[in-house]
Amino acid sequence: NAGVMQNPRHLVRRRGQEARLRCSPMKGHSHVYWYRQLPEEGLKFMVYLQKENIIDESGMPKERFSAEFPKEGPSILRIQQVVRGDSAAYFCASSLGTGGWGTEAFFGQGTRLTVV
Amino acid sequence: AQSVSQHNHHVILSEAASLELGCNYSYGGTVNLFWYVQYPGQHLQLLLKYFSGDPLVKGIKGFEAEFIKSKFSFNLRKPSVQWSDTAEYFCAVNGDDYKLSFGAGTTVTVRA
Repeated sequence: NAGVMQNPRHLVRRRGQEARLRCSPMKGHSHVYWYRQLPEEGLKFMVYLQKENIIDESGMPKERFSAEFPKEGPSILRIQQVVRGDSAAYFCASSLGTGGWGTEAFFGQGTRLTVV
Repeated sequence: AQSVSQHNHHVILSEAASLELGCNYSYGGTVNLFWYVQYPGQHLQLLLKYFSGDPLVKGIKGFEAEFIKSKFSFNLRKPSVQWSDTAEYFCAVNGDDYKLSFGAGTTVTVRA
């Protein structure tokens, strides 16, 4: 039973390029959460998606960041025109339903984005 | 909105020493409390959780945590650490919605 798969594990982008981070949830999970971890900080909520719907994107920066979770395929977190401040670890989690953090939600290994 | 603070950024111990990591949260309502661990190069794993009932919670790998409501605390403990406990530990709080709020994390280094 594969866990939450994120790729790539490491991503290097030059300033101004686009970064695409992928998250394949666990089999059967239809809820996906994205978190960002900046150096010396905890994980910060970014966005919560269900299949084909963005439920809450209150943690996403207003510009350059977008997320989707299509009917088929992985969830994608997209960062356009990256800047150095976007360098962070981005974690995805998936669950069967809402509020199931104790039993149903699992995290991926994260994607470490470095902007040079 | 809830917030979580972890008292230590980095803790260094010798094997067999006891470990206690502090966690305090701020939230006015009912909370669910968690400790996650991230071993080097691996994903976040759930160590233990508190939803209700006995405030002393036992988790995997010999860890336990105590919920003290009056102090808004959920400290993690292990009586005798091993080298394999070297990892980053995150306290997290979930209020009445789906957002899980994390502390900044504590890096624990256990020296053999």
